[in-house]
Amino acid sequence: EAGVAQSPRYKIIEKRQSVAFWCNPISGHATLYWYQQILGQGPKLLIQFQNNGVVDDSQLPKDRFSAERLKGVDSTLKIQPAKLEDSAVYLCASSFWGPSGGAGELFFGEGSRLTVL
Amino acid sequence: AQSVTQLGSHVSVSEGALVLLRCNYSSSVPPYLFWYVQYPNQGLQLLLKYTSAATLVKGINGFEAEFKKSETSFHLTKPSAHMSDAAEYFCAVLSRYSTLTFGKGTMLLVSP
Repeated sequence: EAGVAQSPRYKIIEKRQSVAFWCNPISGHATLYWYQQILGQGPKLLIQFQNNGVVDDSQLPKDRFSAERLKGVDSTLKIQPAKLEDSAVYLCASSFWGPSGGAGELFFGEGSRLTVL
Repeated sequence: AQSVTQLGSHVSVSEGALVLLRCNYSSSVPPYLFWYVQYPNQGLQLLLKYTSAATLVKGINGFEAEFKKSETSFHLTKPSAHMSDAAEYFCAVLSRYSTLTFGKGTMLLVSP
């Protein structure tokens, strides 16, 4: 079974530039998450999708960050314009859970490391 | 709101020694708790989970954790550390909309 795919793995940009990250979840996983992991901290949820609908985006800085999940499969996270403090690893995760369980069992990609200069 | 606190950003042990990584939770309802591991340059991987069944939970790679309501703790242990256990470990609690809220992580260093 293929895992969660993310690209690019590494990206270096200058502040005020834009960047986009792509995620392909595990086939059949209805729930997709984007987490931001700043060095020395635990992952912080940015946005959660259920199929192609947004469940929770309360911690997404909407003035500069946007995310979409068209057709309920792949997802793209965009930052425009980037700030120095956006330097982090952006983790995509997916899950499949239902009445039989699975809540909290997330499958993570390897992450996209962003450096903003 | 649910949250977890991990005590100690770094823990160092010798190979073969007991591993103990500490996690305390705060929750107004019976929590679902998790431990995830992150190896260098990789994503997080589920080690084990507590979902209100048995208080002692066994996970992969010989790790286990015990849920203690009286201490609001969910510490992770392994009887004998191996070099391959060197990684960062995250405690997490299931929050609203079934998302995970993570602690800050504990880096486990294993010396020969």
